[in-house]
Amino acid sequence: AQSVTQLDSHVSVSEGTPVLLRCNYSSSYSPSLFWYVQHPNKGLQLLLKYTSAATLVKGINGFEAEFKKSETSFHLTKPSAHMSDAAEYFCVVTLTGGGNKLTFGTGTQLKVEL
Amino acid sequence: GAVVSQHPSRVICKSGTSVKIECRSLDFQATTMFWYRQFPKQSLMLMATSNEGSKATYEQGVEKDKFLINHASLTLSTLTVTSAHPEDSSFYICSATKQGNQPQHFGDGTRLSIL
Repeated sequence: AQSVTQLDSHVSVSEGTPVLLRCNYSSSYSPSLFWYVQHPNKGLQLLLKYTSAATLVKGINGFEAEFKKSETSFHLTKPSAHMSDAAEYFCVVTLTGGGNKLTFGTGTQLKVEL
Repeated sequence: GAVVSQHPSRVICKSGTSVKIECRSLDFQATTMFWYRQFPKQSLMLMATSNEGSKATYEQGVEKDKFLINHASLTLSTLTVTSAHPEDSSFYICSATKQGNQPQHFGDGTRLSIL
């Protein structure tokens, strides 16, 4: 069985300040982990993925995430928030590269203020 | 690459009608497509997994006679909500994957409102 916990349902930051969205996972086997972003009334866009290669994964729009097996974490970070980053972010785990069932976290709503 | 188109983006219809939603992979062949449902301010719930040329696999609690899924080609899957009622109102999202170990690519979703 696998599961994902997103510790914060809402995160608010000021524009230009760092972003940290937390995610912890539970998996019986070596997981593949993803971060997706969803803007209002839109589908999901893949930000980045971890599939057992480098533990520090760089994604689009300046986001990156670090896989820490000892902490079972896959937190998403960005050095400097932009207004356009305001959206819902989902941490996702699967046992394979993503073609099989995905298990979604409950999501974190990121708000970026001026 | 890996663009998934979902149509229509929004549907408003009367209770009792059937609604068909299309999901197309525009620039790749999708061996597997997935259908999700998302309630307001909640995460995505997988409804069914669809493989081209075979019957869809439905998740527990999802009525297969209510939500008909057809995956007739490697680029098209359809979800038909039959005899829709207000409780079927939701945001439906499809995704497609090229191969078993490739990430899923999502459509923009369909907002279904049943009056």
